[in-house]
Amino acid sequence: KAGVTQTPRYLIKTRGQQVTLSCSPISGHRSVSWYQQTPGQGLQFLFEYFSETQRNKGNFPGRFSGRQFSNSRSEMNVSTLELGDSALYLCASSLMASGGARDTQYFGPGTRLTVL
Amino acid sequence: GEDVEQSLFLSVREGDSSVINCTYTDSSSTYLYWYKQEPGAGLQLLTYIFSNMDMKQDQRLTVLLNKKDKHLSLRIADTQTGDSAIYFCAEADSGGGADGLTFGKGTHLIIQP
Repeated sequence: KAGVTQTPRYLIKTRGQQVTLSCSPISGHRSVSWYQQTPGQGLQFLFEYFSETQRNKGNFPGRFSGRQFSNSRSEMNVSTLELGDSALYLCASSLMASGGARDTQYFGPGTRLTVL
Repeated sequence: GEDVEQSLFLSVREGDSSVINCTYTDSSSTYLYWYKQEPGAGLQLLTYIFSNMDMKQDQRLTVLLNKKDKHLSLRIADTQTGDSAIYFCAEADSGGGADGLTFGKGTHLIIQP
C-alpha cells in the first residue's frame, strides 16, 4: 500500500505570493492533518480534515487555509507569504478521526517551502 | 496548555542501548507516540502506547510509561548507525488527537563508532 504522498517536495516563493500544497493520504484513510515544522517552533498543528470538513484548526492566522476533496486528498493554501512561513509542511493521514489506535497518524515526506 | 518536553541531544556508542526520555503535562493523554525523522525526510511512526499500559516491546524498541509521573521513555537496544535521527515524542488527547498531536522538540540521537 502506498504511503502518504505530498507534492511538490520543494518550493521557492517570494514574499506576498501565495502557495498551494497537495497531500494524498494512504488509500482508505479519511482524515488528513497538516503540520508546520520550523527549527524554532518545532512541529505545530495547522488543521485537520475529515470527510471534506475541517474539524479543528491550530493557532495560525487566516492566511493558512485548506480543503479536502471527496477522494480524501487535501490541499493547503498560504496567501500573502511571509519570510516566517518558510518551513517543512507535513501532511499526515489516519483511518478515522474519532479516537483510538486506528487513528494513528502516518506522515508524508513533507514539502519544503522557502520564502525569499 | 499541553506541553511535551524532551532533551535535545543524546550521544551513545554503537552497540549500546539508547534511552530517550519525554515528559508531558496533559493528564488526559490517551495515546503517546514515538516518531523518527531522518534528515530531509518526514516522520516515521516507530511505536505507540495506550495510556493504560506501562510497557510495550517491539523488537529492539521498548516503551515505558509512568502515568503517575507523566514520563515516557523509548529504549533502543543494540543501537546502530542507522538509528541516527531525531526522535519525537507526541501525545494525543482524549479526543484521539482531534486537536492534532502535540510534539516535543525532538531528541537528536548521535551514534559514536
